[in-house]
This record gives sequence, C-alpha cells and structure tokens, in this order.
Amino acid sequence: DIVMTQSPLSLPVTPGEPASISCRSSQSLLSRNGYNQLDWYLQKPGQPPQLLISLASNRASGVPDRFSGSGSGTDFTLKISRVEAEDVGVYYCMQTLQIPWTFGQGTEVEIK
Amino acid sequence: EVQLVESGGGLVQPGGSLRLSCAASGFTFSTYWMHWVRQAPGKGPVWVSQIKGDGSNIKYADSVKGRFTISRDNAKNTLYLQMNSLSNEDAGVYYCARDDPGPQAFDIWGQGTMVTVSS
Repeated sequence: DIVMTQSPLSLPVTPGEPASISCRSSQSLLSRNGYNQLDWYLQKPGQPPQLLISLASNRASGVPDRFSGSGSGTDFTLKISRVEAEDVGVYYCMQTLQIPWTFGQGTEVEIK
Repeated sequence: EVQLVESGGGLVQPGGSLRLSCAASGFTFSTYWMHWVRQAPGKGPVWVSQIKGDGSNIKYADSVKGRFTISRDNAKNTLYLQMNSLSNEDAGVYYCARDDPGPQAFDIWGQGTMVTVSS
C-alpha cells in the first residue's frame, strides 16, 4: 500500500496569516496520463470530509482561491494564503493512484 | 440538489451483520463509480470498497475482504454495503462517496451512518 505522511500533525494559526501543510507519499503519484493522483480534503467538526483540491493543484468547485495545492511525484503542499476562522478542522491528503486509496494521518488546524 | 444519504447503521454484536444503504439523488447515479469510506472515532478516514457504475470493477480493502460485499441497484439509485462477521475494529462512521471520474476524487459525501460493535 502507498503510505501517506503529513506534517505537521497540529498547526496553530493566526487569522490573516498564511499556513502550509506537507504531504509525502511512499511512491510517486504521477500517473501514466501525466497527472499527480493526489487530493486534499478538509473535515470540519461533525461533518464528512469535503474536497478542496484534486490532481494536486485543481481547486474543487466553490473552494475559495486562498487555498492552493502544489507538488509532484512524492512531495505535495497545501497552502492557505490567509487563514480564516472557518478554515479550522482536519486536513487530509489522499492518493488515488493505486487501490487501496490511502489517506494521510491528518493535520489539525486550529486558531491561536 | 446532489445528495447522498446513508442509513442502516446501528449497534451490533461481535460476529453480527449489518447492511448499509446509500440513497443517491440529483445526479445520474448509474454513471458514477461509488465508494465506501469509514472512520473510526478520533481517527482518519479509511477507504473500504469501490464499485463501477455498471456494478463491475469491485475492489475491497484487505481488512474487509471476504466479509463485506458492495453492490448497487441503479434502478433504485442506491448503493449498499453488506457487512458480515463484524468486529470491534469495524466500528465507526461509514460514508458513501461519489467518485468524480475526471480527477478520481470524492466530490460528494454523505453525512455518514454510525456502526457500533459491542456485546
């Protein structure tokens, strides 16, 4: 199975400041069609995860442009340009290159 | 409105069975791959199973293989998960999720149904 490793696991943030989460995979997520099969999700308390980013850098419909994804191969990053209070929750990366699809451990973002 | 609504969770004894359902609405259900994802209390999500729109290409996580069966009824716009020989490790919230075929991502999730395994 592909192992996904996120860091940090906890991220206290100040509203208005930037934030960054790293996700590394145990093997390259670059598919034969040239896309990185890496998604980012945010799970707010008491809710199911919601899709933020697919194919490493494509924002999902309705996702604010303060969220951006980057990276290729085995190293990926989710950035929030200016954190807002509504961004608190647990962020997960997930690979869809190979069954079983696997998630990172999660990064809990909280407001300082 | 595009929506997924799970049902069928509850309290079951170890070794028991449950059948989960996921009712889909607001989209052409038969054209989408669908998945089950579970989340134990305080833990991250774990992929469980997938099924193609026509009922083929079924896959399972090793932890549930031989015990769980995914299926769908496209006439009823409903996804199912038959769970047998349940253990404490199977407890948690079970989500059904729609697979956006372009990027292969879970673009729509249900609210989940809780499965508790206890004697």
